[in-house]
Amino acid sequence: DAKTTQPNSMESNEEEPVHLPCNHSTISGTDYIHWYRQLPSQGPEYVIHGLTSNVNNRMASLAIAEDRKSSTLILHRATLRDAAVYYCILYNQGGKLIFGQGTELSVKP
Amino acid sequence: DAGVTQSPTHLIKTRGQQVTLRCSPKSGHDTVSWYQQALGQGPQFIFQYYEEEERQRGNFPDRFSGHQFPNYSSELNVNALLLGDSALYLCASSLTSGYNEQFFGPGTRLTVL
Repeated sequence: DAKTTQPNSMESNEEEPVHLPCNHSTISGTDYIHWYRQLPSQGPEYVIHGLTSNVNNRMASLAIAEDRKSSTLILHRATLRDAAVYYCILYNQGGKLIFGQGTELSVKP
Repeated sequence: DAGVTQSPTHLIKTRGQQVTLRCSPKSGHDTVSWYQQALGQGPQFIFQYYEEEERQRGNFPDRFSGHQFPNYSSELNVNALLLGDSALYLCASSLTSGYNEQFFGPGTRLTVL
């Protein structure tokens, strides 16, 4: 299974943008890049996914490098409710999600 | 739509016992996956069910088994419980077609004494 590498933790100030990096140098052509987050005492929650092009939704943006070996999840204005563990996952159709350690994001008021 | 529901919320068992955890998927979803999350770790894939069959399995022993019913709900059974089975057990549902996201339930916290 292709793996991802993320920093263990990051800090942000409230209402500032946050860029969460992810490296996935062994990504295959059919792997989608998915991001999930897990708030304290909850199950993981889908955030966004993409294949090659940058993607935007109501929660975040996903910037994917041209060679697809890295990606960045962008939260445009962090709020206290965005404090969570963020997981970057390579996902095949109908397949299993392989979670790493993720990045624990803390947001300071 | 209630989303993914799991029962019970919490459970305490002793070593050697057996446990059954239950999951109801999000309305319209046909695929159920189970994950184990130890404290401080990311979730680990146990297995996935589709059309009442186990379609994929992670690196878990045969003590872990499951079932999917015609209404797509699912059960996870763990036999001969070990202390190391203490964890949060998460159920996720999805549509089998496409690169669809998985929707997770709140989990069942299992403690083995």
